Amino acid sequence: DAGVTQSPTHLIKTRGQHVTLRCSPISGHKSVSWYQQVLGQGPQFIFQYYEKEERGRGNFPDRFSARQFPNYSSELNVNALLLGDSALYLCASSFMWDRFYGYTFGSGTRLTVV
Amino acid sequence: DAKTTQPNSMESNEEEPVHLPCNHSTISGTDYIHWYRQLPSQGPEYVIHGLTSNVNNRMASLAIAEDRKSSTLILHRATLRDAAVYYCILRSDGSSNTGKLIFGQGTTLQVKP
Repeated sequence: DAGVTQSPTHLIKTRGQHVTLRCSPISGHKSVSWYQQVLGQGPQFIFQYYEKEERGRGNFPDRFSARQFPNYSSELNVNALLLGDSALYLCASSFMWDRFYGYTFGSGTRLTVV
Repeated sequence: DAKTTQPNSMESNEEEPVHLPCNHSTISGTDYIHWYRQLPSQGPEYVIHGLTSNVNNRMASLAIAEDRKSSTLILHRATLRDAAVYYCILRSDGSSNTGKLIFGQGTTLQVKP
């Protein structure tokens, strides 16, 4: 079975540009979460979606947005990129969102803003 | 969200057992204890989770103290592939539950051949 797939794997963008990151969850998983991991730190929660609705949002500015599609895949959008947005962006999927279930993470998208 | 405390780093010898501790003194009665690990250049990987009873799976065992204020992840025979950052995370219930994982600094495990 395919795991969580993220695209692209690497990306270089210029300050002020917009970026879209994509995630395909494991088949049958209805919950998708996004995390940002800056070098040397643990991942930080950005968004969670379940059944196409936003269930939670972390402490990130409105430049960050996301959505989940009917096939449960998801996009993370970041507008007006800043140098500080350079990070590994991780997508995680789960059958449901609650505490009984573990998450499966993708390998991430490495975003570099120059 | 209740917090966890883990040692910054630990060392182990290959093929020996490893006990990774986690303190969570403010845990609530319905919080689940989850463990993830992150190998270099990869996303986090789910290891194990439990509520009250000790749990075993093919990767590890989770020993939970009777008062639930601490837990220990046990790798029965460490291999070089087990070198990673290990995160102990509490998953809460309730109206504020967004399903998010709160990662701390974790424990960096080094495995020596």
